[in-house]
Amino acid sequence: KQEVTQIPAALSVPEGENLVLNCSFTDSAIYNLQWFRQDPGKGLTSLLLIQSSQREQTSGRLNASLDKSSGRSTLYIAASQPGDSATYLCAVESSGTYKYIFGTGTRLKVLA
Amino acid sequence: EAGVTQFPSHSVIEKGQTVTLRCDPISGHDNLYWYRRVMGKEIKFLLHFVKESKQDESGMPNNRFLAERTGGTYSTLKVQPAELEDSGVYFCASSRWRVEKLFFGSGTQLSVL
Repeated sequence: KQEVTQIPAALSVPEGENLVLNCSFTDSAIYNLQWFRQDPGKGLTSLLLIQSSQREQTSGRLNASLDKSSGRSTLYIAASQPGDSATYLCAVESSGTYKYIFGTGTRLKVLA
Repeated sequence: EAGVTQFPSHSVIEKGQTVTLRCDPISGHDNLYWYRRVMGKEIKFLLHFVKESKQDESGMPNNRFLAERTGGTYSTLKVQPAELEDSGVYFCASSRWRVEKLFFGSGTQLSVL
């Protein structure tokens, strides 16, 4: 049974700092992995999608890496800004299914 | 392009009543998903439609939950009768293809009293 864990649960950093959010999963037989952002009272916004054959994806100041063999993904945020404050969720789609298993998220606060 | 729309945004009902949630996916998105987050827990999969067909409903908690997607457009999720443990946020998501970012709606906050 796939389980997804995110560490840390919460993080507070000063503006401008580079930071890394971690996601680990127990079953390496995955099809896709997505990183989402959720703002309070809003839905989820997909930031990056990494297919199982890929090692990383980049979008602007965001970079997500995937290491299937070790069951890990990281989301790197460069030069953090107060607008980056949100909850970040990692979700894994196991091979043979169309459903994503979500972690509990990392609540990020970037201080001005 | 309009996003995924869900309504109502909030619903407060009493135990034993019936509630129907609606989701309008992005036009042209054949894949439609329902997810749920109960307080303090992670978001969990409920079911997946491809057009009007249920592909996977393994996450549906019990037979008090009924999802439909008539005509392959909008979807409804009915809870009848509602129980206290059904309280949570119900999210709908859609995608055109499997290997594509999921687009989520803002969710319906359901409170069963």
